[in-house]
Amino acid sequence: QVQLVQSGAEVKKPGASVKLSCKSSGYRFTSYTIHWVRQAPGQRLEWMGWINPGNGNTKYSEKLQDRVTISRDTSASTVYMEMSSLRSEDTALYYCARDRPYSAGWYNSFDIWGQGTMVSVSS
Amino acid sequence: DIQMTQSPSSVSASVGDRVTITCRASQPLSSWLAWYQQKPGKAPHLLSSTTSSLQSGVPSRFSASGSGTDFTLTISNLQPEDFATYYCQQAHSFPLTFGGGTKVEIK
Repeated sequence: QVQLVQSGAEVKKPGASVKLSCKSSGYRFTSYTIHWVRQAPGQRLEWMGWINPGNGNTKYSEKLQDRVTISRDTSASTVYMEMSSLRSEDTALYYCARDRPYSAGWYNSFDIWGQGTMVSVSS
Repeated sequence: DIQMTQSPSSVSASVGDRVTITCRASQPLSSWLAWYQQKPGKAPHLLSSTTSSLQSGVPSRFSASGSGTDFTLTISNLQPEDFATYYCQQAHSFPLTFGGGTKVEIK
């Protein structure tokens, strides 16, 4: 079945980096975009950025673009999200999520979600 | 950035009730407004990707409407499995932004 499986929980110290993975299965990897969305405790969902696995194009939230890099490995049907210079405010549940195309572009909403990866940042 | 304001933040209701959740955008979205349901410990689940277009498999007691800046999600005949938190998300322009959520609780 169509699914996104994310890597396991991470505990990091402030200033460190983290790289999360999101493995796709059950569909053609290069035909759908993958977005990253995070949910900090008590906060609303926050969109971080996306990648088009078909051509490698990316787009990031301006707030995070200096610290976030999204990449893909088409041979492994996997998308990665790396965040640097971690702060306590980055403690959150990180989701990857799939968008799908329509005739004139992308829906920019998410029909399949990963299970989430908890990232805790603490000294 | 487009700001999304959801109301109410929580609502208490009984099985069989009708619940209406509203979402207001700071800029016009046309029909590019998505709704999600999230249950504790689970990822959000897409209910509709544009107004008036429910995802396949979503029960017909859910309905989404609105355009421009004002949108509603209505749950008719509330069922036990509908108690959850609901989020709106504007899909009109980047950065994509979400509402603050509405928790539907059992009265």
